[in-house]
Amino acid sequence: QQQVKQSPQSLIVQKGGISIINCAYENTAFDYFPWYQQFPGKGPALLIAIRPDVSEKKEGRFTISFNKSAKQFSLHIMDSQPGDSATYFCAARQTGANNLFFGTGTRLTVIP
Amino acid sequence: GAGVSQSPSNKVTEKGKDVELRCDPISGHTALYWYRQSLGQGLEFLIYFQGNSAPDKSGLPSDRFSAERTGGSVSTLTIQRTQQEDSAVYLCASSRGLAGGPSDTQYFGPGTRLTVL
Repeated sequence: QQQVKQSPQSLIVQKGGISIINCAYENTAFDYFPWYQQFPGKGPALLIAIRPDVSEKKEGRFTISFNKSAKQFSLHIMDSQPGDSATYFCAARQTGANNLFFGTGTRLTVIP
Repeated sequence: GAGVSQSPSNKVTEKGKDVELRCDPISGHTALYWYRQSLGQGLEFLIYFQGNSAPDKSGLPSDRFSAERTGGSVSTLTIQRTQQEDSAVYLCASSRGLAGGPSDTQYFGPGTRLTVL
């Protein structure tokens, strides 16, 4: 059973556009929501993370929007660049637990 | 090196053979995780080590999978009698293991791509 559901599976965006990736969860015990970026042949790297006590977190061109009541969170990439082309994973961790539950990933392609 | 390293980067084996995958975590990190990344399936948690505590093996898919962590540092994931469905990228991550720290960042290695023929 997929604990974190991610969409879309793939996304193509023009350079300068906004990329939006969505995730949803059911487990209300989740209290930490990171996003990871993975380039081909590399391991995932933490991009940005949020706790459920805030509705938005912004770091440069990357923003997480969090809707606690809807149990949804999304990643927005503003002014998308070809160098942003990668696979993005959302994840969640339950209080007191050790492991992360990952979404199935979104392959983003930013075309010049 | 400053990051998590894994070896080998690629492993091709025949069905029924045993394989060992190695992970060197970031120096000083007390927590170590193994995940499996299958095509289109995201990352699946396998096992977690924290210091000298008993490992959390709740994600291991079968008793053919086992892992050790010697001296609180290097870890080896062993898959016995490999099956074709074991083909995947096996990722190792480490973190500082901050007590009570739900935002303890996991740093991933590049993974080992395992192909079982």
